[in-house]
Amino acid sequence: DAGVIQSPRHEVTEMGQEVTLRCKPISGHDYLFWYRQTMMRGLELLIYFNNNVPIDDSGMPEDRFSAKMPNASFSTLKIQPSEPRDSAVYFCASSPGQGSQPQHFGDGTRLSIL
Amino acid sequence: SQQGEEDPQALSIQEGENATMNCSYKTSINNLQWYRQNSGRGLVHLILIRSNEREKHSGRLRVTLDTSKKSSSLLITASRAADTASYFCAIDTGTASKLTFGTGTRLQVTL
Repeated sequence: DAGVIQSPRHEVTEMGQEVTLRCKPISGHDYLFWYRQTMMRGLELLIYFNNNVPIDDSGMPEDRFSAKMPNASFSTLKIQPSEPRDSAVYFCASSPGQGSQPQHFGDGTRLSIL
Repeated sequence: SQQGEEDPQALSIQEGENATMNCSYKTSINNLQWYRQNSGRGLVHLILIRSNEREKHSGRLRVTLDTSKKSSSLLITASRAADTASYFCAIDTGTASKLTFGTGTRLQVTL
């Protein structure tokens, strides 16, 4: 079975540009999570969806960040405008049930904002 | 914060030795999970222990949970070079469908 697929794997862009990260969860999984990982702050939950509906976006750092899930097989995380402090690895994960279920992670997008 | 904190932050052992990592947390939990992260990859779920369980095994992994002390430990027996990775605990409080991850332990297993 295919796991969680994220694209791109690496993104390098200049400050001020719009960045779009993409995620395809495992088929049949009801929950989708977006995380950010940095050395300083560790792994932070940004937002999660249940059945394509955003449930908790309290981790989204500011209005420059937005996330959508137009259907059960696709989600995007957008940063506009991007800033150097947004540089991090962004992970998408999905789970088949409530958050108490094990989560399946993609391999992440390494984002560098110059 | 209800974030789990792993101890030690880093651990270096030789192949064949056992590795023990600890996780402490601050709130009541529904379950606690352990994940592994290899360099450049996403996290991989290893084992889940429920709040009413005290010990769980999976292959060379042994997890214990002490809810009175709000702590858990992950033991990897007979470690291998392939066990080199970062290990994270994750807490499910049962109040929301999400996990809170700890700070991680970096394990280095040398030949």
